[in-house]
Amino acid sequence: GENVEQHPSTLSVQEGDSAVIKCTYSDSASNYFPWYKQELGKRPQLIIDIRSNVGEKKDQRIAVTLNKTAKHFSLHITETQPEDSAVYFCAASWGYSGGGADGLTFGKGTHLIIQP
Amino acid sequence: EPEVTQTPSHQVTQMGQEVILRCVPISNHLYFYWYRQILGQKVEFLVSFYNNEISEKSEIFDDQFSVERPDGSNFTLKIRSTKLEDSAMYFCASSGTGQEKLFFGSGTQLSVL
Repeated sequence: GENVEQHPSTLSVQEGDSAVIKCTYSDSASNYFPWYKQELGKRPQLIIDIRSNVGEKKDQRIAVTLNKTAKHFSLHITETQPEDSAVYFCAASWGYSGGGADGLTFGKGTHLIIQP
Repeated sequence: EPEVTQTPSHQVTQMGQEVILRCVPISNHLYFYWYRQILGQKVEFLVSFYNNEISEKSEIFDDQFSVERPDGSNFTLKIRSTKLEDSAMYFCASSGTGQEKLFFGSGTQLSVL
């Protein structure tokens, strides 16, 4: 099955700086790569996703890049703010939304800490 | 905005007891899922459900687990004989068709004593 590795496990950045979180996956059939933000005690919330026919996607301060050849994808957050502090999970699936015959496989998460 | 709802928010049970976790997916969604998250760890896929049957299940989803869609709105996860290691946050999720995204419920914190 799919295996997703995520690094780093903890990332501390100064407010206003950029943060980058990286993930690799093992199953070349995977074609959907979402990123979830989870605040303490809350549900995971989708912040951005990318499909394998796209190399990069941006939404305001958040961007995701995908390298299918190398089987890795990254989350980039620019101009970080205190409210960006949370745990971020990457995930991979071969279904459009983690549906069909395979659920999402998540990475272990990155605890992002924004220092004021 | 429509949400996936889960009840109860907390469930405490004795080891060996049966528990049923309940979920109401978003009304026009067709794919339903259960995930779990042990405290401080990653979210783990348990099972996906489509067209009134299981589409896929993980190694975690053994014979002690079952899912059901008893009516047009509810989606349940049953654990027949709970073990200490079943203690976790259980998230229900749903998605629509095609390129719809996955939406999570707020979770049920299960504590097995």
